[in-house]
Amino acid sequence: GESVGLHLPTLSVQEGDNSIINCAYSNSASDYFIWYKQESGKGPQFIMDIRSNMDKRQGQRVTVLLNKTVKHLSLQIAATQPGDSAVYFCAESSRDDKIIFGKGTRLHILP
Amino acid sequence: GAGVSQSPSNKVTEKGKDVELRCDPISGHTALYWYRQRLGQGLEFLIYFQGNSAPDKSGLPSDRFSAERTGESVSTLTIQRTQQEDSAVYLCASSHRTRGGGELFFGEGSRLTVL
Repeated sequence: GESVGLHLPTLSVQEGDNSIINCAYSNSASDYFIWYKQESGKGPQFIMDIRSNMDKRQGQRVTVLLNKTVKHLSLQIAATQPGDSAVYFCAESSRDDKIIFGKGTRLHILP
Repeated sequence: GAGVSQSPSNKVTEKGKDVELRCDPISGHTALYWYRQRLGQGLEFLIYFQGNSAPDKSGLPSDRFSAERTGESVSTLTIQRTQQEDSAVYLCASSHRTRGGGELFFGEGSRLTVL
């Protein structure tokens, strides 16, 4: 199946530190990007999305950055907490509504 | 319930048997997606529906796989003559989705084990 590429399969971060999860995409026609969080044994849950006419979206602890020049997407989590432990997926979509997911990065929080 | 419901949650079958997986989307959601997730891996796109129409079936791995949807409601994913490589969690998601946006709401998945 199709997938968006991710750089790191596992990321270990000290509790309280910031986490940065990166994602590369290949389809220049993609204009909508989404980050999902998947906890063990559950389906993915929406975190935040960003459209191609933006380069940054910010939430309470979460920031999504989009660099269309190098086809790069990142998810930043501030003050990482134990509850942030999960697998994080980026996904991309273009006007055909087909949503393609990346392979995922496991975020491991160190005490 | 208010969320996406999938059944069965777990299915163990013998190689060569047919299986049918069901997805009940959130009421009113026009778009419905099926993904396959092998152990420790990402989500592999299979097929999506807008209403009961499937604009893109390119993700279905082989002709043993088929899916249908009744109106803007229940969808079934059927795998014929199952193989061990079909073992995975099959995830369904629904959305209000219109072109270019919309959050996917996922079910808990159907775990398929082919012996």
